[in-house]
This record gives sequence, structure tokens and C-alpha cells, in this order.
Amino acid sequence: AQKVTQAQTEISVVEKEDVTLDCVYETRDTTYYLFWYKQPPSGELVFLIRRNSFDEQNEISGRYSWNFQKSTSSFNFTITASQVVDSAVYFCALSEPHGSSYKLIFGSGTRLLVRP
Amino acid sequence: ETGVTQTPRHLVMGMTNKKSLKCEQHLGHNAMYWYKQSAKKPLELMFVYSLEERVENNSVPSRFSPECPNSSHLFLHLHTLQPEDSALYLCASSHYGGLSPYEQYFGPGTRLTVT
Repeated sequence: AQKVTQAQTEISVVEKEDVTLDCVYETRDTTYYLFWYKQPPSGELVFLIRRNSFDEQNEISGRYSWNFQKSTSSFNFTITASQVVDSAVYFCALSEPHGSSYKLIFGSGTRLLVRP
Repeated sequence: ETGVTQTPRHLVMGMTNKKSLKCEQHLGHNAMYWYKQSAKKPLELMFVYSLEERVENNSVPSRFSPECPNSSHLFLHLHTLQPEDSALYLCASSHYGGLSPYEQYFGPGTRLTVT
């Protein structure tokens, strides 16, 4: 069965530190998609990135970077020079066909606290 | 308005009440979703509407009833809820079509408390 594991329940860092959020997934599909979302205290999940299983290139967007390792079924997320505004819960998700659409299988989330 | 909006943002209801949650998306998407987020469980998909077809999660109790009158609006009708139904209810929308899933865009959620 599809599964997403975010083993880190909560991480606390001091501002300007780098931090990596781990995501490990399980799937029987050969084609699949992985996502990261950010949920600030306001509650709304904010889409960060979508990556398909055929694209193993790492991606960088400003202070954010993602490391996709198919061999270890991991899709880790690194924030460089963290800021207080990065404090949020971060969810990793895996797509799964569902009827004529798709559903997202979410991990349990990692709460990141960036202290000034 | 832009994005995905949800009303009300907060709702307190008794177990015998009937209420509805509303979601509206302004992104031109053709799939909409209801999720439940509680303190003890990760995000749980409740319902999906894709191209006006409802794909239902079989584990959702019948006291939750979705309605999708068109591709821009989604409702969740609630009746005779239980205290354990207290949670954050999130609506999302996405494009649907082709061979790959598109990213979902979420609304701010309705914080529901059942007393």
C-alpha cells in the first residue's frame, strides 16, 4: 500500500541554520508523483513542489531545495538559512490513482519551529 | 477573489444541528476535494469530485454529505455529528486530465467544533 513517512515530528532550529525535513515513501507504482506542502498557522496548505518519479534531478528554488533519491525512496526538503517565517508544519505527499482522478497520501507532517 | 475560499472559517454546532460548509474556487479547476485534518490523524481525504463525478471514500460516515453543483462550488452538509468530528475541514481544487496528477490548491479551512 502507498505510504508516506515523516519520521521527524518536530524540529526546532535557530534562525539562519539550515534544516532538512525527511520524507520516505512506499509505492508499488512505477510512475508516481511527490509533493511538498507548507501549512502555516493560518491553516491553509501551500503548494511548494511537485516531482515525478522519472525526474531525479534535484531542484532549488531560492532557499528551498529538494533531494529526490529513488534508490532510497526518499524526497527530502532542505531550507537554507532558515527564517522565522519558515515556521510551519510541512507535509510530504504521494499521488495515488483514485477513481478517475488522483488522491494524495499525506505524511503526518513535520512541525518546524525557527527561533529568532 | 482569488484562489480557494471557504466559509465559515469557524463553526460551533451541537450534535443535533444541521449545517453546511461551503467552498469556492476561482482557479478554473475541474476537480474539488474535501479533507479532514484532526489532531490525531494526518490529512484524510473525504470526497473527490472530478469532472462532476463523485469518487467517494467509503470510510466516511453518512452524516457527511457532499454536494458539487458545478466545478466552482463544493458543499459539505453536516447532520447529527459527533464530538469526534471536531476538526479542521479543508477544501482543495486542482486541474484534472491527462495522465498525471496536478497539484492541489487548498482553502484556509473551516475549524469545526461539535459540542
